[in-house]
Amino acid sequence: QKEVEQDPGPLSVPEGAIVSLNCTYSNSAFQYFMWYRQYSRKGPELLMYTYSSGNKEDGRFTAQVDKSSKYISLFIRDSQPSDSATYLCAMRKYGGSQGNLIFGKGTKLSVKP
Amino acid sequence: KAGVTQTPRYLIKTRGQQVTLSCSPISGHRSVSWYQQTPGQGLQFLFEYFSETQRNKGNFPGRFSGRQFSNSRSEMNVSTLELGDSALYLCASSLDSPDQPQHFGDGTRLSIL
Repeated sequence: QKEVEQDPGPLSVPEGAIVSLNCTYSNSAFQYFMWYRQYSRKGPELLMYTYSSGNKEDGRFTAQVDKSSKYISLFIRDSQPSDSATYLCAMRKYGGSQGNLIFGKGTKLSVKP
Repeated sequence: KAGVTQTPRYLIKTRGQQVTLSCSPISGHRSVSWYQQTPGQGLQFLFEYFSETQRNKGNFPGRFSGRQFSNSRSEMNVSTLELGDSALYLCASSLDSPDQPQHFGDGTRLSIL
């Protein structure tokens, strides 16, 4: 079983839709959770960064962490064609270094005008 | 503020050669990590450097090595290149604090012929 599972998609939605992206994980030691967006031929861009359980909102983006279920989500409201990209979840354990992030394989999202 | 800068952006090598990739972190960031991204395996952690010392290492063969200089710039080296080393190599930097996330460069695309 992989430490982090993420549905690769592709996911296609119409402009204005609410998008839900999810990851599950198996290691209960994970405490920091991130969502990155990666456009073609570019590096991952940090969207959301959360510690432990709960919700975090930033503009059209909301990240949720449910540690009891080992499940994290990213919601995108009023999706735009510019949101078309691959979305990567990542996580790491508490303490130690900032490196050694464990990534999901990424979900490819396409938002159609 | 300039982001993480990686050079070169593209590189073509043949089997058996060696290659050196360079990364300049965000100003003030002393933690630098390297990742390999392939379609099959996704993003995988290679190693992390802090204050010129390797602090963490992923599960890659000894052909993959790195170093960090006193100005926090980092290089990674791959010797005896194999076809399977074709990938996007990403560098990420962060402040050295548990609640600080990593920020990525746009990577070096390495192709092995």
